[in-house]
Amino acid sequence: GQQVMQIPQYQHVQEGEDFTTYCNSSTTLSNIQWYKQRPGGHPVFLIQLVKSGEVKKQKRLTFQFGEAKKNSSLHITATQTTDVGTYFCAGYGSSNTGKLIFGQGTTLQVKP
Amino acid sequence: EAQVTQNPRYLITVTGKKLTVTCSQNMNHEYMSWYRQDPGLGLRQIYYSMNVEVTDKGDVPEGYKVSRKEKRNFPLILESPSPNQTSLYFCASSYRRGAGGGETQYFGPGTRLLVL
Repeated sequence: GQQVMQIPQYQHVQEGEDFTTYCNSSTTLSNIQWYKQRPGGHPVFLIQLVKSGEVKKQKRLTFQFGEAKKNSSLHITATQTTDVGTYFCAGYGSSNTGKLIFGQGTTLQVKP
Repeated sequence: EAQVTQNPRYLITVTGKKLTVTCSQNMNHEYMSWYRQDPGLGLRQIYYSMNVEVTDKGDVPEGYKVSRKEKRNFPLILESPSPNQTSLYFCASSYRRGAGGGETQYFGPGTRLLVL
C-alpha cells in the first residue's frame, strides 16, 4: 500500500540555525498537508500544497511540493524555541479518496 | 468557538469490555476521521467519513467500528478491546475532502486509552 516516509526522525539544532524535514511518498499524491504537534498537544494544521512544484511561505517556514508530486519539504529559517515540536506531512493518494497517510514525523528540539 | 471535542480524555479498561469514544464537531464539517498515534509510528488513520452515512476504512481499521448517523458526531467503537489497542486516539474534521481549498483539518484534544 501507499507509504509516506519522513526524515529525519529527530533533529537537534541551536537556536538560529535552519531546519529541514523531508517527506517522500511511494506513490503520487493528489495533495500534501503539513502539521505541527507540540509536546502533549494535538496536531495543528499548517498548510496544504496541491500543485506540482508549488512553494508556499509562512513567515520563516517554506513548504515545497515536488514536481512529480511524490515528495515535499518543510524548511524553517533561523529556528526559535517556539518551533519545538513534531512536524508531520500527510498525503492523499488520489483526489477522490479520504484516506490520508501520515509520515512518521520529525521531532525538532531547539537549544536556546 | 469552533472545536472538535472528544470524550473521554483518558480511559483505562480491561480486555474485551466494549467501549465507545465520542467525537463531536460544531463546524458543520462533512469530513471526519479517526487516527491513532503510537511512538515511532506517527499518526495512522483508522476510519474516515466523507459525509453522513458514508464511512470507509483507513490504514488500520481492524478491531474498530464507526458510525456517522449525523453530521456532527463520529463515534469510535471498540467492540472487544485488546492490549494492542492501547494508544492515543485523535478525532479530526474538515469542511470537506477535495483537491481544492477549505480542507484545514481540525484535531480534537485526544483520548489516551489503556487496555489491560
